[in-house]
Amino acid sequence: AQSVTQLGSHVSVSEGALVLLRCNYSSSVPPYLFWYVQYPNQGLQLLLKYTSAATLVKGINGFEAEFKKSETSFHLTKPSAHMSDAAEYFCAVSDGDFGNEKLTFGTGTRLTIIP
Amino acid sequence: DAGITQSPRHKVTETGTPVTLRCHQTENHRYMYWYRQDPGHGLRLIHYSYGVKDTDKGEVSDGYSVSRSKTEDFLLTLESATSSQTSVYFCAISADTGNTIYFGEGSWLTVV
Repeated sequence: AQSVTQLGSHVSVSEGALVLLRCNYSSSVPPYLFWYVQYPNQGLQLLLKYTSAATLVKGINGFEAEFKKSETSFHLTKPSAHMSDAAEYFCAVSDGDFGNEKLTFGTGTRLTIIP
Repeated sequence: DAGITQSPRHKVTETGTPVTLRCHQTENHRYMYWYRQDPGHGLRLIHYSYGVKDTDKGEVSDGYSVSRSKTEDFLLTLESATSSQTSVYFCAISADTGNTIYFGEGSWLTVV
């Protein structure tokens, strides 16, 4: 069974500082990995996804994530935080069965940006 | 935005009453999903569908049933609502661009 662990349910960073949100996964097959963002009272928006192509994945809004198989990690980063980045972020894993993507989500990390 | 509409968006209901949530898509995608979101649990899959009349259970299916009589509609029914089913429910669809799921705006359900 696949699973996802997000370290830190709450992360606070200063505006302009590096954002690092941690995600570790467990999967019995080569995984497909995703980061989603959720703004208050809204649905989830896809930030980026890893599907076994490049290990460094660039997403929207300046975010990127690096797939590290040896560490079973897929941490999300952004060099310089902006106030608009305040949201909840979810890491998710799927077994990659195309068209039948039953995602398993982490419990989420709420990102707060300090002015 | 993916063409996903959930209804109702907000509902308060009493324990023991039946409730149906509707998900409507305009994308003609084959796969549709219902997730629930609860604090400390992230999103958990309730049921999913891989075609008209083809559905299967997810991680937390007890107390829920689904139906899909048309490609565009996926209904989630709580046969007899309980307080533990107070949650935010998200419908999602699989895009044909490869391993991507798009989510609706959510339905807030409160069972009192």
